[in-house]
Amino acid sequence: AQKVTQAQTEISVVEKEDVTLDCVYETRDTTYYLFWYKQPPSGELVFLIRRNSFDEQNEISGRYSWNFQKSTSSFNFTITASQVVDSAVYFCALSESMNYGGSQGNLIFGKGTKLSVKP
Amino acid sequence: DGGITQSPKYLFRKEGQNVTLSCEQNLNHDAMYWYRQDPGQGLRLIYYSQIVNDFQKGDIAEGYSVSREKKESFPLTVTSAQKNPTAFYLCASSIGSQLIYEQYFGPGTRLTVT
Repeated sequence: AQKVTQAQTEISVVEKEDVTLDCVYETRDTTYYLFWYKQPPSGELVFLIRRNSFDEQNEISGRYSWNFQKSTSSFNFTITASQVVDSAVYFCALSESMNYGGSQGNLIFGKGTKLSVKP
Repeated sequence: DGGITQSPKYLFRKEGQNVTLSCEQNLNHDAMYWYRQDPGQGLRLIYYSQIVNDFQKGDIAEGYSVSREKKESFPLTVTSAQKNPTAFYLCASSIGSQLIYEQYFGPGTRLTVT
């Protein structure tokens, strides 16, 4: 069954520390997409990254980096030199592109990891 | 500015009343979505629409209804049949459909039913 697990419910770090948010997924599909979204206290989710299952290259964007490992079904997110503005809830999500049982695919979010960065 | 507008930000209703949440986008996106978020939970998909006059049920469609008469608008009605309607509702849109494209979210509507 399709599933996304973010085992870390809350993480608290001090500014300038590095922090890694874990995401483990389950899918029966060979073609799928993984996402990370940020939800600041204002509530509006902000898209961070999309990765398809055929692209295992790690990605770096400024202080953000993502490590996709199909062998362990993980798509972890690292913030380097964290800042107070990084405080938010971060969601990992999985989308399957295949059409199972007549549906048009599915999109599942993990329960999120609340990151608090203290000055 | 391009984006997604949801109104109102806070909404209070009495039990047994239907309520409609507004969602408008000016991004010229084909697909639009409604999600429900409960405290400490991830987002759960209620309905989505890939094109005008077409929509599909998500994981938790019972007690909700939608319409898509215009590309820009995708209102959600929370009916009295929804057993636990108090939640944070988020609308989103994407340039493509089939749930594989990045989505852009509105600021959300917090609905409280007493």
